[in-house]
Amino acid sequence: DGGITQSPKYLFRKEGQNVTLSCEQNLNHDAMYWYRQDPGQGLRLIYYSQIVNDFQKGDIAEGYSVSREKKESFPLTVTSAQKNPTAFYLCASSGGQGPIYEQYFGPGTRLTVT
Amino acid sequence: DAKTTQPTSMDCAEGRAANLPCNHSTISGNEYVYWYRQIHSQGPQYIIHGLKNNETNEMASLIITEDRKSSTLILPHATLRDTAVYYCIVRVYNQGGKLIFGQGTELSVKP
Repeated sequence: DGGITQSPKYLFRKEGQNVTLSCEQNLNHDAMYWYRQDPGQGLRLIYYSQIVNDFQKGDIAEGYSVSREKKESFPLTVTSAQKNPTAFYLCASSGGQGPIYEQYFGPGTRLTVT
Repeated sequence: DAKTTQPTSMDCAEGRAANLPCNHSTISGNEYVYWYRQIHSQGPQYIIHGLKNNETNEMASLIITEDRKSSTLILPHATLRDTAVYYCIVRVYNQGGKLIFGQGTELSVKP
């Protein structure tokens, strides 16, 4: 089955530690995105990548880093510089650039930092 | 960035049509209207999108007003599994075509 997988579903870390969230897609999509969702709110864009080896900052990139070495993978690292890392993180992919292409989401990773 | 306004919550009886309104009065001519829904603790699910014409697929219908300042998502025969938060979103061309999420409408389908 084609789709987007995120692992793990729940992640717990101590404050001051970096943590990497996995996102893999087998849809052959060029574009991939990372969003963050806080309780009772909509999603906010962290980073996006329109092609392998290229990525751009979104609206709330501070404290996060990404890589795009393979078309199917777009891992997100939450660094110790992120002030409020506890949130629900969602990865998405899209078949092309621009708003005519739907974005499909993975199941998400809920990160708790204490 | 264009923004959307939706009612915070709505109820609908099972088997009846659910009509979810959305205002997007500042939308630009090349920006699309997207609808997603999200069940608690899951990733958003794509429903439908459109530019200026009405659209229909197996899940829903999207009615966009002629001036494009508002739209309505119609679930023709709501079931209990349609209970979710529904997001009306304007999709822009910059930032890779990012989705601008608002607060959404919490739809409760009741037996």
